[in-house]
Amino acid sequence: DTGVSQNPRHKITKRGQNVTFRCDPISEHNRLYWYRQTLGQGPEFLTYFQNEAQLEKSRLLSDRFSAERPKGSFSTLEIQRTEQGDSAMYLCASSLMSGRASDTQYFGPGTRLTVL
Amino acid sequence: DAKTTQPTSMDCAEGRAANLPCNHSTISGNEYVYWYRQIHSQGPQYIIHGLKNNETNEMASLIITEDRKSSTLILPHATLRDTAVYYCIVRVATGRRALTFGSGTRLQVQP
Repeated sequence: DTGVSQNPRHKITKRGQNVTFRCDPISEHNRLYWYRQTLGQGPEFLTYFQNEAQLEKSRLLSDRFSAERPKGSFSTLEIQRTEQGDSAMYLCASSLMSGRASDTQYFGPGTRLTVL
Repeated sequence: DAKTTQPTSMDCAEGRAANLPCNHSTISGNEYVYWYRQIHSQGPQYIIHGLKNNETNEMASLIITEDRKSSTLILPHATLRDTAVYYCIVRVATGRRALTFGSGTRLQVQP
């Protein structure tokens, strides 16, 4: 257990529905990341926050996807009008950025989304 | 971030050392080498990272060649629970924050 928690762990939804996932990072960590992983592939970066500011978004993050981190603590990832291609594991990671040293990301267990 | 090349799969006998290689010939001076592993259906687990010097922690050792163009992750006494996909990732200390995962090496520890 890294201390990063994600809820729900599994979500099954019908195509066209909206879904929201939550990530609670390690408490003192100021950076939070979202990744997506499809079957047989390595995780792919979606977006990251430093405190409450969203600093980078991948081209994978279509306009149906939105992420927030309103108070610089937990984060939510919402997918609107889900498509079958959205079926994947959604992973959250957090890190503590201090000084110039490279920050290490610690991952949560992931939320597995299945779109029927 | 520099590209990495890893073997697709490796086998190791339980109790023996597992040596997982990684090539990163285009690595630049301010890029770190990170290793993560992912056991089936779980999130990636951080193992170790280094810049120039060899590193050791309770999980593994990281050996980086003097020219930094390759590295080896060593699990000193592999157990069945070490069966996983191991990812070698090169990441700059500042600038882009994302980790770029490749396909990794699938390590199968045999009883």
